[in-house]
Amino acid sequence: GAGVSQSPSNKVTEKGKDVELRCDPISGHTALYWYRQSLGQGLEFLIYFQGNSAPDKSGLPSDRFSAERTGGSVSTLTIQRTQQEDSAVYLCASSLVSLSEQFFGPGTRLTVL
Amino acid sequence: GQQLNQSPQSMFIQEGEDVSMNCTSSSIFNTWLWYKQDPGEGPVLLIALYKAGELTSNGRLTAQFGITRKDSFLNISASIPSDVGIYFCAGLDNYGQNFVFGPGTRLSVLP
Repeated sequence: GAGVSQSPSNKVTEKGKDVELRCDPISGHTALYWYRQSLGQGLEFLIYFQGNSAPDKSGLPSDRFSAERTGGSVSTLTIQRTQQEDSAVYLCASSLVSLSEQFFGPGTRLTVL
Repeated sequence: GQQLNQSPQSMFIQEGEDVSMNCTSSSIFNTWLWYKQDPGEGPVLLIALYKAGELTSNGRLTAQFGITRKDSFLNISASIPSDVGIYFCAGLDNYGQNFVFGPGTRLSVLP
């Protein structure tokens, strides 16, 4: 079956512009996670959605970052007024139920010039 | 917040050698996961561990859930070039709130 997909695979933007990153989780998975990975670094947790519950936003680095999950499926991570330090790979993962094994997408590489 | 440490940070080995890496924490974890990330890809789950003392194999990979529940080990036997990548551990804390990821061990295999 299809895995987690993310789009775009690469995004280059100018400082100050807004960007939207999309994640399509595995069908039937109720939990969805966003992570940020800077070059050569580990995974930084950003936000977690579980079903229709309020998301856990504890990892969002600033109020420029927000995420939505529509209909319990597709999620969009939005970064407003991008800064150069936002440059990273943004990874999405989904799991069948809350806190079970996570399956990752290929990531979106964001470059802010 | 809770943190995981992984060692070594990086390692260079000869093809055919066995590899051992570990993941440690000052807190108890209830689940340990090991992932491998190839360059330009997302992490792929290798092994999941659910019980203290559990030893699980997946081909040439073997992982163990430490008895103290504060550590986990991953061993790779007879390494091959495609083993190159970054190996991440992840733990589910005792409160079951979220997974915490380690910083990774970067493995390079020399022919």
